[in-house]
Amino acid sequence: DAKTTQPTSMDCAEGRAANLPCNHSTISGNEYVYWYRQIHSQGPQYIIHGLKNNETNEMASLIITEDRKSSTLILPHATLRDTAVYYCIVRVGVNNAGNMLTFGGGTRLMVKP
Amino acid sequence: DTAVSQTPKYLVTQMGNDKSIKCEQNLGHDTMYWYKQDSKKFLKIMFSYNNKELIINETVPNRFSPKSPDKAHLNLHINSLELGDSAVYFCASSQDSGQGSYGYTFGSGTRLTVV
Repeated sequence: DAKTTQPTSMDCAEGRAANLPCNHSTISGNEYVYWYRQIHSQGPQYIIHGLKNNETNEMASLIITEDRKSSTLILPHATLRDTAVYYCIVRVGVNNAGNMLTFGGGTRLMVKP
Repeated sequence: DTAVSQTPKYLVTQMGNDKSIKCEQNLGHDTMYWYKQDSKKFLKIMFSYNNKELIINETVPNRFSPKSPDKAHLNLHINSLELGDSAVYFCASSQDSGQGSYGYTFGSGTRLTVV
């Protein structure tokens, strides 16, 4: 799996958009960008994933650059409950026992009142 | 209804003991996993398992063994517990599929403390 680089921590004001960047300059053509988050004392939670097109769901939006070397996860209106560690993971988008999901250090997002 | 459930939520035990953590998923997923999160908060894959194969991360001591009585369960057995085994253990599951697969579903974790 391609490696990713994320800032260690970020702050965001409540109600504002949180933009979390991720660099993945060595991404391969068949690798997807996945985002997960882990709220304190809970298990990781899947947020969104994409290949090359921008994606949006009820939780967030994912913007992938045209060259696919970086992406941004956008939480449009951050709340205090969005305070968590956010993980950007690049991997082949096939689920099976041999293609395990591996986590890096992630970005600790602190949403402040 | 909890999709991936783990028991117990907390486990305190003495060094040298043998213990098990249970995991059940009601999602009909094909593959289940165990992860370990240590005090530095790094999440590390330990095992992945479906009815076809067991993949073991090479860094996992052989004191750890997964047991799967059926597709919906993957229990974690730990023999001769050591202080360094203290961590939060997460179970997860996923549906085997092709490109563009959706994410894993994780349980809420079991905090193991070895004293």
